[in-house]
Amino acid sequence: AQTVTQSQPEMSVQEAETVTLSCTYDTSESDYYLFWYKQPPSRQMILVIRQEAYKQQNATENRFSVNFQKAAKSFSLKISDSQLGDAAMYFCAYRKGGSNYKLTFGKGTLLTVNP
Amino acid sequence: DTEVTQTPKHLVMGMTNKKSLKCEQHMGHRAMYWYKQKAKKPPELMFVYSYEKLSINESVPSRFSPECPNSSLLNLHLHALQPEDSALYLCASSQAWGIYGYEQYFGPGTRLTVT
Repeated sequence: AQTVTQSQPEMSVQEAETVTLSCTYDTSESDYYLFWYKQPPSRQMILVIRQEAYKQQNATENRFSVNFQKAAKSFSLKISDSQLGDAAMYFCAYRKGGSNYKLTFGKGTLLTVNP
Repeated sequence: DTEVTQTPKHLVMGMTNKKSLKCEQHMGHRAMYWYKQKAKKPPELMFVYSYEKLSINESVPSRFSPECPNSSLLNLHLHALQPEDSALYLCASSQAWGIYGYEQYFGPGTRLTVT
């Protein structure tokens, strides 16, 4: 069974600084997708970024980028120029490729942004 | 329009009540999901509908009864709930095909309290 591990229950960062959230996963599949979701205190879960396992290039979305290390099964999220609005619970998630609806979530990392 | 709406936002019900949660999307997605989320925990998948047919039931107690009347609507009927069922109930939708299919868009959730 696939597992997703987020080893940092809580992180904090100063506004305008950079922070990296860790995620490791375990799978025997070669075709899969990885995601970072953000859930602010308002509770709406928002997709931040996704990475296809077959792509070597790391995904980026504005201030958000990932460091995808396939051999190490690591998928960290870097937030640059942190803003107060980045404060949220961040979930790393895995989906097996093909016709598969299930997301496996990590336990989450609560990010605090200090002014 | 990338919005999933859920009603009501909050619901308080007694253990003998019958109530329903409603979810709606107009993105043309053919897969819809119900999740249960406890505070500071990741969402737990309950049900998946694909093309209006129940595709996944994660061994959810029968006091939760899903219904998908059409491709845009998803309901969750609640009956004889227990206090431990109090949680945030999230709806999500996704395409049911393609490389970027299954990428889930979440609604804001219904905060359910069972008294």
